[in-house]
Amino acid sequence: DVKVTQSSRYLVKRTGEKVFLECVQDMDHENMFWYRQDPGLGLRLIYFSYDVKMKEKGDIPEGYSVSREKKERFSLILESASTNQTSMYLCASSTPSLGREKLFFGSGTQLSVL
Amino acid sequence: AQKITQTQPGMFVQEKEAVTLDCTYDTSDPSYGLFWYKQPSSGEMIFLIYQGSYDQQNATEGRYSLNFQKARKSANLVISASQLGDSAMYFCAMSDNYGQNFVFGPGTRLSVLP
Repeated sequence: DVKVTQSSRYLVKRTGEKVFLECVQDMDHENMFWYRQDPGLGLRLIYFSYDVKMKEKGDIPEGYSVSREKKERFSLILESASTNQTSMYLCASSTPSLGREKLFFGSGTQLSVL
Repeated sequence: AQKITQTQPGMFVQEKEAVTLDCTYDTSDPSYGLFWYKQPSSGEMIFLIYQGSYDQQNATEGRYSLNFQKARKSANLVISASQLGDSAMYFCAMSDNYGQNFVFGPGTRLSVLP
């Protein structure tokens, strides 16, 4: 069964902490994505990666960075967490197929920054 | 830049009736993919249906069909014979030709009434 695994379902951090959100996929997908989901705003793309060590900014990259050292793992980093980064974070992966390939999602990480 | 608009924050439908969820999109790319996802209260993202920009026929998947009107840049989801289990958030999304810049709309919350 194909899987995208996010390391934590719930996470509580303090303002100013460095936060790592980890995502691992077992489908050998080239593309990986990080989104944040907020009520009324839908899913907003933070960063995506189409290959190891490659990354592209999405719509809201400010305050975030990413790392993709291995094909199966895509990490989202909050260098100095702030309360406005409290949100649901969703990781997804796909394989490029002329834009036809759907995204496979992880179960999400609900991050609370206090 | 690609953009998805869903103008219905919430919709109600009577069980067994059909419902249409609106989606309009904006892109300058000639080739793209359009997707609909369902997110029940459990939070998982469930892929429903896909339409390619060059597909001549409207996509159908069981009770789901996609009303694709390319000139109007709309990709409405039609759910026939609504069931109580259809109550969920529904997201329209689009990807570029490489399946990379995958953007979502703000979503529509559908409530099916018994």
